[in-house]
Amino acid sequence: DAEITQSPRHKITETGRQVTLACHQTWNHNNMFWYRQDLGHGLRLIHYSYGVQDTNKGEVSDGYSVSRSNTEDLPLTLESAASSQTSVYFCASSSSGTGPEKLFFGSGTQLSVL
Amino acid sequence: DQQVKQNSPSLSVQEGRISILNCDYTNSMFDYFLWYKKYPAEGPTFLISISSIKDKNEDGRFTVFLNKSAKHLSLHIVPSQPGDSAVYFCAASFGTSYGKLTFGQGTILTVHP
Repeated sequence: DAEITQSPRHKITETGRQVTLACHQTWNHNNMFWYRQDLGHGLRLIHYSYGVQDTNKGEVSDGYSVSRSNTEDLPLTLESAASSQTSVYFCASSSSGTGPEKLFFGSGTQLSVL
Repeated sequence: DQQVKQNSPSLSVQEGRISILNCDYTNSMFDYFLWYKKYPAEGPTFLISISSIKDKNEDGRFTVFLNKSAKHLSLHIVPSQPGDSAVYFCAASFGTSYGKLTFGQGTILTVHP
């Protein structure tokens, strides 16, 4: 079955370190997204991509970057981790189309920055 | 500025009764609305959606109502079951956003046996 997987499931890191969270989908979806979930804020969009070599900033992109070298993967990098980036991170994907779309989410990565 | 708001952080209901979860939005450009359900340690999963050209959409025990003039939507679960206990997120998008969703803060639903 097609799926979207995130790794690691849990990560503890120190302030100032570079961290990369992986996201891999086997649906062959063109669109991929990274969200973070925080209490009181719901899910907020960090970065998104509509295809290979395409990346765009979302609502809370400061301190994060993504790259899209193939259809299946959209890794999220925290260049210099900060305590404010402690959160649960969700990757999602959707197919391209002309109508409204729903997102398929991974199981999330719990990141703690100490 | 929170464009999609779920003002009730939690809701508790008895098994078999109706659960009503509410969501308000401020951006009149939104034309597609979705509800997601999330269990602990899992990602959100799609539950039901509605286009702005409709005012009601039903799928089994789940019904979503949209009141465009009030910029308000609600999710009704009838009858509620203990397995419905989860966090429910309301989300919205507009025609050219191609999957970019704006989420509410979420409501924790607890259904007691």
